[in-house]
Amino acid sequence: KNEVEQSPQNLTAQEGEFITINCSYSVGISALHWLQQHPGGGIVSLFMLSSGKKKHGRLIATINIQEKHSSLHITASHPRDSAVYICAAPYSGGGADGLTFGKGTHLIIQP
Amino acid sequence: NAGVMQNPRHLVRRRGQEARLRCSPMKGHSHVYWYRQLPEEGLKFMVYLQKENIIDESGMPKERFSAEFPKEGPSILRIQQVVRGDSAAYFCASSPQTGTTFSEAFFGQGTRLTVV
Repeated sequence: KNEVEQSPQNLTAQEGEFITINCSYSVGISALHWLQQHPGGGIVSLFMLSSGKKKHGRLIATINIQEKHSSLHITASHPRDSAVYICAAPYSGGGADGLTFGKGTHLIIQP
Repeated sequence: NAGVMQNPRHLVRRRGQEARLRCSPMKGHSHVYWYRQLPEEGLKFMVYLQKENIIDESGMPKERFSAEFPKEGPSILRIQQVVRGDSAAYFCASSPQTGTTFSEAFFGQGTRLTVV
């Protein structure tokens, strides 16, 4: 079973700050997911990445497969970025199954 | 192309009643995954289904819970004789038929079950 650890668990920052959320996993994978859960509870898939870096607007995700580590960055953070950010890896390391999730990082961006 | 649709969004049941949660995957997707998020906890995998087949149910509680994904119609997660501890958000995700990897995660909005 893949163990997924996220840090920090809680993060409060001021508007405009650069945000970094970290994720490490125990079993080698082919791809890792970053998800965003808004206060209303809905989940949005932000990124799926298998190598290098992906960018979408102010969000950047990086992954180092050898080190089993990924980071999610938010540039010029804004209060609307306040949400829970969750990283997820394949349940048992890459087979035809679901995801195992980190506990999430609760991010609050204060104006 | 509508996203993954779950209904109802909110469901209230009394202890001992049955709860039925529905998930319609994205058009063309034949893989469905159910996850549960207990209060103050992260998401946990429950079951993975393809049309008319349960592929992996290792995350399902042994009793009272069942899931199906018929040839026609939505996937159903059924909880019999609900207890207060079943109160949670239940999420469904779907993916296209991609062989052996879960390549994309398309999530529904979830069903929030409250057992009173």
